[in-house]
Order: sequence, then structure tokens, then C-alpha cells
Amino acid sequence: GESVGLHLPTLSVQEGDNSIINCAYSNSASDYFIWYKQESGKGPQFIIDIRSNMDKRQGQRVTVLLNKTVKHLSLQIAATQPGDSAVYFCAENMSGSYIPTFGRGTSLIVHP
Amino acid sequence: EAGVAQSPRYKIIEKRQSVAFWCNPISGHATLYWYQQILGQGPKLLIQFQNNGVVDDSQLPKDRFSAERLKGVDSTLKIQPAKLEDSAVYLCASSQMGPPASGYTFGSGTRLTVV
Repeated sequence: GESVGLHLPTLSVQEGDNSIINCAYSNSASDYFIWYKQESGKGPQFIIDIRSNMDKRQGQRVTVLLNKTVKHLSLQIAATQPGDSAVYFCAENMSGSYIPTFGRGTSLIVHP
Repeated sequence: EAGVAQSPRYKIIEKRQSVAFWCNPISGHATLYWYQQILGQGPKLLIQFQNNGVVDDSQLPKDRFSAERLKGVDSTLKIQPAKLEDSAVYLCASSQMGPPASGYTFGSGTRLTVV
């Protein structure tokens, strides 16, 4: 289930389950959104992006959904694996900017 | 392709001391960024360089933080004097000019603890 931990919201799932990580973004002028994965002791790593003229984009085992009406972004990970355990951040770019503004992050824990 | 290199990996200092971090970006990347990531939060941009010029330093606490990229390649970030609230991971990232986020690469960071 999903819970709010001491520092980060945490999502715990079983290996093989599908995971859904949610994010509310703040700026209605943002037109480009990115999901990053950050493993312990490493910098954020790009996963997938989506532009505001789309509402869905699929990658390998990952899908990003964008709902501009309610300023909500989600990342779906299919058949979650232990190697997916990490902190996931959504980030938004305002129009014309290449610098992402990061959200708070969600810790994903995958149990074998 | 080699990634973004940062050193040191860890640093512990006392408050009011000075500290410097070093970053070597991916070869050919014109743009370099320094981020501060406090535990439990997303990275926050401190400064952006384009070649050896500063593009954006609006979030850099200039009374104690400074950064330079003299030859348009390596960069250093300095804190003098450090405060307890500076404890964080300092991340360097680089990108080609005007890339999408997929071309934006982070280093592993320097974890700073101020005691």
C-alpha cells in the first residue's frame, strides 16, 4: 500500500505486481514533464518524458499518464522487479526552459 | 561514454569551515548545473553554466556559496562558511545545449555533512 513515511511517501509492492506512482505538479504553465529514478548513492536517472500535448506515453515496462485538468502525472511500472526499488521523482519544465523543477519523490520498495 | 564525475563522494566538516566540490561533465556538454538535494527532497538548482558563463544563479546563496567554471569544462562549487543546514547531497549535471531531459545526466553527488 501507499503511506507517508518520515521523509518520503512510500509504496511497497510485491515482485511482479504493477506499480503506480502519482505526482501532483504545481505550475499550469509547465509543458514538459519527466520521471526520474534515483537509486541510493546515485544521481537521478531519466526514465521517461511527456509533453503537454500528449496524455499518455509508453516506454519499456513504463507508462506515463498526464492529466492537465487536475495537474496530475502518474508513472506505471509493469511487472515490478526488485531492481526497480528506488526513489522516483516527477519533474516539470516551464515552457521554454530546459531546467526541470523536481517534486518531492516517492520511495518504491519491491519485495521479492 | 563516461558519465559525470564528482569528487569527493563524502565530506564531513564542522560548521563555519570551508568546503569545495569538483565536477567533470560529460565530454562535449556545454551546459553544467549544480543542484542541492536535502534528504527526503528533490534536487534544487543552485547554478547553471553555459560554457564558462553563468546563465542562472538566482537560487545560489551568494553570501556563502560560490561556483566557477573557468575553462568551460570542470567546475567547482564552494561553501564558505558552512552552516548546519548546508548538509545535503550536491549533484552536478551536464547536458548539450538545449537538450530534452533525456540528455541531462547527473553525477553521483557529494554527500556533505556539517556538524
